[in-house]
Amino acid sequence: AQSVTQPDIHITVSEGASLELRCNYSYGATPYLFWYVQSPGQGLQLLLKYFSGDTLVQGIKGFEAEFKRSQSSFNLRKPSVHWSDAAEYFCAVGPYSGGYNKLIFGAGTRLAVHP
Amino acid sequence: EADIYQTPRYLVIGTGKKITLECSQTMGHDKMYWYQQDPGMELHLIHYSYGVNSTEKGDLSSESTVSRIRTEHFPLTLESARPSHTSQYLCASSDDFEDEQFFGPGTRLTVL
Repeated sequence: AQSVTQPDIHITVSEGASLELRCNYSYGATPYLFWYVQSPGQGLQLLLKYFSGDTLVQGIKGFEAEFKRSQSSFNLRKPSVHWSDAAEYFCAVGPYSGGYNKLIFGAGTRLAVHP
Repeated sequence: EADIYQTPRYLVIGTGKKITLECSQTMGHDKMYWYQQDPGMELHLIHYSYGVNSTEKGDLSSESTVSRIRTEHFPLTLESARPSHTSQYLCASSDDFEDEQFFGPGTRLTVL
């Protein structure tokens, strides 16, 4: 069955420290992969996506993610975290059917940033 | 500016009331979605639509219903709200050729 696992429910980092949020997926073919961020009381905003090509993907707000097929992972990274990055982060996998664009979401990782 | 809107943002109602959560998008997208999200949990798809007059149930069983009479409008209705319906409801849309979904700000529903 298709699934997305985000092993870390909650992460706390200091401002200026580096960040890595883990995402593992289970999918029968090459997936389309996404990272979304959700600030309190808000909807989800797309940070970056991987469809094909270069496995290192650059996104908005200084985030990047690397697709590793051998590890079924799509970890999100940022070299220096800002206080405004405190939010909940969701990894998602999407099979492209040309019709029903279904996304399967992980349970999310809540990021806290210490000053 | 192209965007996706949801109203109301917050709603507190009593058991048994009929409610409609509004979702509109000005992006010209054909596909629209409703997700239910409980605190600290993943999003669960409850309804989706390919286009006008097309609606389908999602993965999570829901007592709500939806309609798609106009491309830009995808309202969700609960005929008789119950406390178990308390949750956050997120609307999203996407175009025909990309899987990226754009999300509205959500409606946080509390049923007393």
